Amino acid sequence: GEDVEQSLFLSVREGDSSVINCTYTDSSSTYLYWYKQEPGAGLQLLTYIFSNMDMKQDQRLTVLLNKKDKHLSLRIADTQTGDSAIYFCAESRYNTDKLIFGTGTRLQVFP
Amino acid sequence: EAQVTQNPRYLITVTGKKLTVTCSQNMNHEYMSWYRQDPGLGLRQIYYSMNVEVTDKGDVPEGYKVSRKEKRNFPLILESPSPNQTSLYFCASSIFQGETQYFGPGTRLLVL
Repeated sequence: GEDVEQSLFLSVREGDSSVINCTYTDSSSTYLYWYKQEPGAGLQLLTYIFSNMDMKQDQRLTVLLNKKDKHLSLRIADTQTGDSAIYFCAESRYNTDKLIFGTGTRLQVFP
Repeated sequence: EAQVTQNPRYLITVTGKKLTVTCSQNMNHEYMSWYRQDPGLGLRQIYYSMNVEVTDKGDVPEGYKVSRKEKRNFPLILESPSPNQTSLYFCASSIFQGETQYFGPGTRLLVL
């Protein structure tokens, strides 16, 4: 199948770390992406990881990839209220044109 | 500024009245794509284009048409809109297929 799955909601306190999880089914994935969608706005590419990498860090963002379990996570350190948004993971596969998205995780940050 | 633009941002129409949503990118990208976003379903690809005059169906192409006469523009056409096409639509582009896609701001469509 082509499923990319995410939990629908996550609520965290400001200053804590957030971890958003994603699982996918296709082992031929080449790139895995995290997009952020703020209310009323389009999708913003946050970061991506190539499938032969285990980890990628970019300022407050850390992406972890477990290829064996087909599990991708996005960790946001020191979560701020401005991080409140919907986060989508997506995968692209070798030699195809498709980008397969998850359903999105709504992150709510409270003071 | 490098960007993907869509127009209109909001549209209310009635069943059967043809409409076009425009998409334009200024990054000289070869690959362009249209998605729709619906609650609980995430984003689903409607059509994509790998280059000028080359278009192909995505996952949910029924009821839609596209054209790619110029590299920068990729309009989405609804010949006879129906209420089940009420959705949030995103255009995206990337330099080549499989590369990072950059998204437009979205077009919210309501078909009555």
